[in-house]
Amino acid sequence: AAGVIQSPRHLIKEKRETATLKCYPIPRHDTVYWYQQGPGQDPQFLISFYEKMQSDKGSIPDRFSAQQFSDYHSELNMSSLELGDSALYFCASSSPSRADTQYFGPGTRLTVL
Amino acid sequence: RKEVEQDPGPFNVPEGATVAFNCTYSNSASQSFFWYRQDCRKEPKLLMSVYSSGNEDGRFTAQLNRASQYISLLIRDSKLSDSATYLCVVGSNDYKLSFGAGTTVTVRA
Repeated sequence: AAGVIQSPRHLIKEKRETATLKCYPIPRHDTVYWYQQGPGQDPQFLISFYEKMQSDKGSIPDRFSAQQFSDYHSELNMSSLELGDSALYFCASSSPSRADTQYFGPGTRLTVL
Repeated sequence: RKEVEQDPGPFNVPEGATVAFNCTYSNSASQSFFWYRQDCRKEPKLLMSVYSSGNEDGRFTAQLNRASQYISLLIRDSKLSDSATYLCVVGSNDYKLSFGAGTTVTVRA
């Protein structure tokens, strides 16, 4: 079965640079969620989109923005990167019929040097 | 205080043993409950949803006690491949998930 696709899988950036993470949800899933997982921590909710509109916002820094496109893929844009942004970034998606159940992508490991 | 609290373990058990652990959640308005497993440096994978009536999936049994706001997971006949971190996850009515810090289980031969 098709799963959530994330790209790139690994990303290395310098401080103050920008990064764009991409997420392709499972086909026919209309909701996308972004999570950040720091070393030794549990995933923290950042932001979510339903039908291309932002549906909820968590602990997302103002330096980050995200959107969902007409094909339901989503991009997380991160600017003025800081060392503390180094983490695993997961995207998850859910379907209209089981909106409460999220399936996670493999994640993007971002390292900020 | 975290919204979802878990015993971090680790639980070190021999193959074939039964291991059980719980988590508690603070938001009484929580609507959905799950156990995910996460292997080192990989994504959380849905293990099972948890219902008030309790549910079983093979060797795994989950229970939800809404009155006491705790969720349990029991693994019977442990396999080496069950070694992982088990995340207790609670969903709000807007489907935002809150994660526990995870319980580490190590099954030894």
